Order: sequence, then C-alpha cells, then structure tokens
Amino acid sequence: AQRVTQPEKLLSVFKGAPVELKCNYSYSGSPELFWYVQYSRQRLQLLLRHISRESIKGFTADLNKGETSFHLKKPFAQEEDSAMYYCALRNNFNKFYFGSGTKLNVKP
Amino acid sequence: EPEVTQTPSHQVTQMGQEVILRCVPISNHLYFYWYRQILGQKVEFLVSFYNNEISEKSEIFDDQFSVERPDGSNFTLKIRSTKLEDSAMYFCASSDDGLSKQYFGPGTRLTVT
Repeated sequence: AQRVTQPEKLLSVFKGAPVELKCNYSYSGSPELFWYVQYSRQRLQLLLRHISRESIKGFTADLNKGETSFHLKKPFAQEEDSAMYYCALRNNFNKFYFGSGTKLNVKP
Repeated sequence: EPEVTQTPSHQVTQMGQEVILRCVPISNHLYFYWYRQILGQKVEFLVSFYNNEISEKSEIFDDQFSVERPDGSNFTLKIRSTKLEDSAMYFCASSDDGLSKQYFGPGTRLTVT
C-alpha cells in the first residue's frame, strides 16, 4: 500500500542552521514525489518536485530509491522558512498521498 | 497570478443535511482535485476529475460524495447526508496537465453539528 511518512511533527532550528525534513515513502511502482509548503494563513503551495531537480528558496530534495526517501534540506534556515511542510507522492494513476506534515520553526 | 477560489470559506451544517462546496479552478486547467484535512491530521486525497469524469477516488469517497463540473468554471463537491466525521477543511486544486504543479484553493472549513 502507498504511504508517506514524515516522522517529525515539529522541527525547531536556529536561524542559519542547516535543516532536514525527513520523508519516507512506500510504493511499488515509480512514484513522483513532491514537497508542499503552507505558510501561516496561506494556502498550500508546491515547493518542489523530484523530477525537476531544482532548488527553490534554497531548498533541495533528492529522491533516494534505495532508502525510499525524499528528505528536504536547506543549508541555512531563515525565519521566513517557518511553515508546515508536507511530503506527497503521486502514483501512476494520478492519486496523491500526503504525509502528516512537519512544522518547521526557525528561531531568531 | 491566477488563483483557485473556493466558497464558502466556512460552512456550518447539521448532521444529515446535504452540503455543496464550490470551487473555481484556474481557467485553462483541465485536472481537478478535492482533498480534505481533518483538524490535526494529514491532507487526504478524495478524488481527481478529468474530461468530465472521475479519474481516481479514494476509499473515503463513498456514495455520500459526488463531484460535478456543472458549467465551464465551477467544480463542486457534494456530500449528500453529512456526518459529524465529515467536519474538516476541504481543499480544491487544479492542474493544467495533471503531471506538474497543482494549485490549491484556500479551503472551505466544514463544520457538521
């Protein structure tokens, strides 16, 4: 069965510190993985997806098929990065599975 | 930038009543989705819709739920007989090609009393 796991509900770091938000998935096919972000009082929005292999707002995520992971990383966290982050998987039938989310709190 | 809109922002209804949640996707988008998020829980996929029919639905999307694109702009989610456990935020999303970016609406908070 498809599943997305984000083990941390809350992650607190100081400004300038590196941050890694963990995401693991289970899917037998070829998934497409996404990170979505929801800033306070704003709508859910796409941050990045694995097939783009891009860096958005300093964040990167690499799909590791061996470890079935898609961790989100940023070398130097900023206060404006504080938000809820959701890892999501799209299966071959355009069905989406979201993780439970990690609240990132970047302290000054 | 164009946005997905949803109305109402908050809907309160009594158990057993029918409710219709409305969404206006981005105008040139072809793929439409509904999600829900019960307070404190994860975002859950309900249904995807393309070419005037459901392309995928989750186990949550039972016979009490239906979706419709009644005209060229609206995309609605109907819950026929609401239950207390239907209380949640309901998000609509749209995508132009179904493969890339989904644009989410601000959500409708449904409260069933």
